[in-house]
Amino acid sequence: AQKVTQAQTEISVVEKEDVTLDCVYETRDTTYYLFWYKQPPSGELVFLIRRNSFDEQNEISGRYSWNFQKSTSSFNFTITASQVVDSAVYFCALRGTGNQFYFGTGTSLTVIP
Amino acid sequence: KAGVTQTPRYLIKTRGQQVTLSCSPISGHRSVSWYQQTPGQGLQFLFEYFSETQRNKGNFPGRFSGRQFSNSRSEMNVSTLELGDSALYLCASSFSRGGAWDEQFFGPGTRLTVL
Repeated sequence: AQKVTQAQTEISVVEKEDVTLDCVYETRDTTYYLFWYKQPPSGELVFLIRRNSFDEQNEISGRYSWNFQKSTSSFNFTITASQVVDSAVYFCALRGTGNQFYFGTGTSLTVIP
Repeated sequence: KAGVTQTPRYLIKTRGQQVTLSCSPISGHRSVSWYQQTPGQGLQFLFEYFSETQRNKGNFPGRFSGRQFSNSRSEMNVSTLELGDSALYLCASSFSRGGAWDEQFFGPGTRLTVL
């Protein structure tokens, strides 16, 4: 079974604080891909990052960083020095064999100025 | 390059009616997937079409159907609408079917309200 769990439903932080969004996944596939998407109020999902199951290197892109650990089936997302524009719902997703995405329930992030 | 477009953006229907939603993928993309997003269930996969054939289907009743045309545009139909069908319906396109770096691009969605 494929499943993605985002235990944090809502998070509020004050601007410039760091925040980590948790993602835990389940899959029996040996080859799979993990994604993070941002959904602003407009509704359109915006792609942030993709990782395949054979690449456990952490990645940093500006204020964003991702920590992929197969041993704990986690793919956590950290925003450093958060900004008001980071306020959105963030989804973690898993794609195994085939082209179907399995999404977590999302984490709503509010950055307070 | 134009992104994924969905029409209409907003729709209000009453119970028992049927509705058709449209999705135009990014030019050159042949795979179109549909998702339903509700506050309670989150984002759930409906189905995927590739080269005019349904390749994958989620766990939804037969009232939900779709098709894809030769130009890769896709339509989704929901018959006998129920209140629980109120949701944001998202369409995503990709060039192929889950290649190593094949990314899905999402449209803005159609917000359907069933009264």
